[in-house]
Parts: sequence; structure tokens; C-alpha cells
Amino acid sequence: AQKITQTQPGMFVQEKEAVTLDCTYDTSDQSYGLFWYKQPSSGEMIFLIYQGSYDEQNATEGRYSLNFQKARKSANLVISASQLGDSAMYFCAMREGGYSTLTFGKGTMLLVSP
Amino acid sequence: GAVVSQHPSWVICKSGTSVKIECRSLDFQATTMFWYRQFPKQSLMLMATSNEGSKATYEQGVEKDKFLINHASLTLSTLTVTSAHPEDSSFYICSAFGTETNYGYTFGSGTRLTVV
Repeated sequence: AQKITQTQPGMFVQEKEAVTLDCTYDTSDQSYGLFWYKQPSSGEMIFLIYQGSYDEQNATEGRYSLNFQKARKSANLVISASQLGDSAMYFCAMREGGYSTLTFGKGTMLLVSP
Repeated sequence: GAVVSQHPSWVICKSGTSVKIECRSLDFQATTMFWYRQFPKQSLMLMATSNEGSKATYEQGVEKDKFLINHASLTLSTLTVTSAHPEDSSFYICSAFGTETNYGYTFGSGTRLTVV
């Protein structure tokens, strides 16, 4: 079974609108961390936001927020007020327990139109 | 903040030659370095994990004799693609673990390898 599932290969959103990118995860560990990265066409991986499994509040970083639903094992990324520069590939990733390896989902390509 | 410098950013080489890619953590000590490979429009695929001073641990299906990883110091790790062939053409990216910034992980900017 996939550990990180991103079911949306591509998403379209109009500028200034909000968009939600889905991510579900699978782990039996109690301690884990969830990450979202943005990868523009240049290829660099840009860290967006992090949610720890014991964090009681949803993480927020500027226009990015993480809708963490632990019982459903979902960690959706919400981008508010989309900008043209948000067009990129977005990856959800997980670190489990004491391991330092990150497991990535397949990614979602987001296109923001004027 | 934490910075990982990856060089070269792109390289074209002839089939049969070797190419070395460097990842250097500039302002922190990387206890672990991860090497990924990424095909167009696909996710990052972990190739190997290396800890300073010890042999790298390769993922299943990755040829350790083709992809040589050296992690000689806490700030430098290298990936050498030996006897490169066109099918080795890909985007290679490293990630250093060992800083509190970004919750531990800092990525290099990637290397686009084209083998002709």
C-alpha cells in the first residue's frame, strides 16, 4: 500500500481563489511528521509547511495552511488567495517514527490562471 | 537559513563517461544525506542514504556500482554516475538532514543530467 497518496494529478484554480490539495497517508507509527513541498519548473524543492502528529492545531504559514485530520489520516494543503507564481508541482511527504527518510506522494500539478 | 549547494546544476556528458555531482551543506553539518532521482512529471525516488564516514545504503533496484556515493565529511556528499548511458539521464537532487531549519531537511537545487 502507498504510504502517501495524492489523488489529484492536476488542479486548476483562478487567481485569488483558494485551492485545496489532497493528501492521505498510511502509517502505524504514533509519531510522524507531514510535509508539503513546492517544486517549480526550475526543480528546486521549496519547503512550505510541516505538521507533527502530536500537534493539536493545524499548521499555518502565511497563505498556506494544513488541514490535519488525524483520524482520517489526511493532511490537505490549503492555499488561500492563489497567485500566478503558485503554479508548480506540489508534493506531500511523511517522516515516520525515528526514521529520517522522507516518503513522497506522486504530486499534484497546480495551474493558476489569471 | 540552512543552505545546500548542489553542483553542477546541469551537465551533458557522452555515453560511457562518468559524472560527479556534489552536494555541500554551507552552514550546518549534515549527519545524513539523501540522494533522489526524478523523472519528468514524476515523484522523487530515493536512491540511497548516506551517513558521514560510512557506506551508503542503497534502495532496492539501485545499482551501487553505477551510482557511487561518498559522504566523506559532515558537509560534503558526492554522487558519481559511472559509465553513464542515455537511460541515466534524469534530474538528481540531494537532501541534507541535520538542521532545525525546515524541520530537518534542506534540499539542493538539483542537477539535470543528459547523457548523449
